[in-house]
Amino acid sequence: ETGVTQSPTHLIKTRGQQVTLRCSSQSGHNTVSWYQQALGQGPQFIFQYYREEENGRGNFPPRFSGLQFPNYSSELNVNALELDDSALYLCASSLDSVGEQYFGPGTRLTVT
Amino acid sequence: AQSVTQLDSQVPVFEEAPVELRCNYSSSVSVYLFWYVQYPNQGLQLLLKYLSGSTLVESINGFEAEFNKSQTSFHLRKPSVHISDTAEYFCAVLLAGGGADGLTFGKGTHLIIQP
Repeated sequence: ETGVTQSPTHLIKTRGQQVTLRCSSQSGHNTVSWYQQALGQGPQFIFQYYREEENGRGNFPPRFSGLQFPNYSSELNVNALELDDSALYLCASSLDSVGEQYFGPGTRLTVT
Repeated sequence: AQSVTQLDSQVPVFEEAPVELRCNYSSSVSVYLFWYVQYPNQGLQLLLKYLSGSTLVESINGFEAEFNKSQTSFHLRKPSVHISDTAEYFCAVLLAGGGADGLTFGKGTHLIIQP
């Protein structure tokens, strides 16, 4: 059983650009959640996908969007990047919305 | 909406001494409770969880936490810490019966073990 992986590890973007972050869930896990962790803060819930449909969303604007694919991979897309989007982005997979969440190592995004 | 408060941003303690990391939560409905640990430049690892049943839960590496419903607390304790316990610890809640709102985390407590 492989763990949750994320790519890339680090990324630097310019304000106004768009970015796509990728996550590969554990096999068999139908649910993926994305979190934003600003420096010195706890992770904040962005949204959750279950069987390729968004089924929950935190307090993030629509420029944060996602996709989940049948092969247990998923994407987080952020449009019109702002300086405050600089953070560690974590994905977590689980069997369902109340199951234990297994976190990936994260992608460190820096917006300049 | 639910919230989590971790009362200490940083806790220094000497090696082999006991430690308690405090966590209080607020929610109008039942929640599940979790402690996660984050080592430098890594993701989060589940340390222990309370879903139901016995209010005292234990991890395999000597940590324990007790759910206190009347005080809405879920403090984490270890009787004797090791250098390798140095990390950031996050308390989190999840709405019982439906987790589509995701985990709500506290701001974290940095546990610093001094030799």
